[in-house]
Amino acid sequence: GENVGLHLPTLSVQEGDNSIINCAYSNSASDYFIWYKQESGKGPQFIIDIRSNMDKRQGQRVTVLLNKTVKHLSLQIAATQPGDSAVYFCAERNQGEKLIFGQGTELSVKP
Amino acid sequence: GAGVSQTPSNKVTEKGKYVELRCDPISGHTALYWYRQSLGQGPEFLIYFQGTGAADDSGLPNDRFFAVRPEGSVSTLKIQRTERGDSAVYLCASSSDGNEQFFGPGTRLTVL
Repeated sequence: GENVGLHLPTLSVQEGDNSIINCAYSNSASDYFIWYKQESGKGPQFIIDIRSNMDKRQGQRVTVLLNKTVKHLSLQIAATQPGDSAVYFCAERNQGEKLIFGQGTELSVKP
Repeated sequence: GAGVSQTPSNKVTEKGKYVELRCDPISGHTALYWYRQSLGQGPEFLIYFQGTGAADDSGLPNDRFFAVRPEGSVSTLKIQRTERGDSAVYLCASSSDGNEQFFGPGTRLTVL
């Protein structure tokens, strides 16, 4: 049946604090991972990616950590701003080119 | 530069009708992807084109769904005999190297 009323996990942080969004991925053979940000009414926007031969990658105000042992991915956002409020999705690639997306986490930043 | 564009932005149709959704990828991107996103969920893969050919159509839910990319640029997703369960946001993405996928704004399809 339909997932009527499905609620996303929500993370609420104060402006200026650091945010950590977690994701468990499904396939140990996945070789590439991406974090996307999606604002209401828009398509997903690329934030940062990481390959399976790395365990950490940093961008501007964002860091992605990959723990292959437990199949866990995290996104850290430093000095979170109101403009960071959105739904964040992790995605993995393990078969060809298609991405498999996680459920998503809604980040709410309080001014 | 221009990103991925999709038309229409919204489409309302009646159950049983046929619809076409269009995607214009970033110029020069050889890979093109279609995903479907239901409310509160992540995008789900439908089909992937490399050039003109469908390299992976394993995500198409049934034979009512079909997509083409005749000249290796613009793609059209076609849905026959629409059902209420087809209501979702249909997202298109393109890529130059098979890694980072750039998404369009999506087409919101509502089947009454």
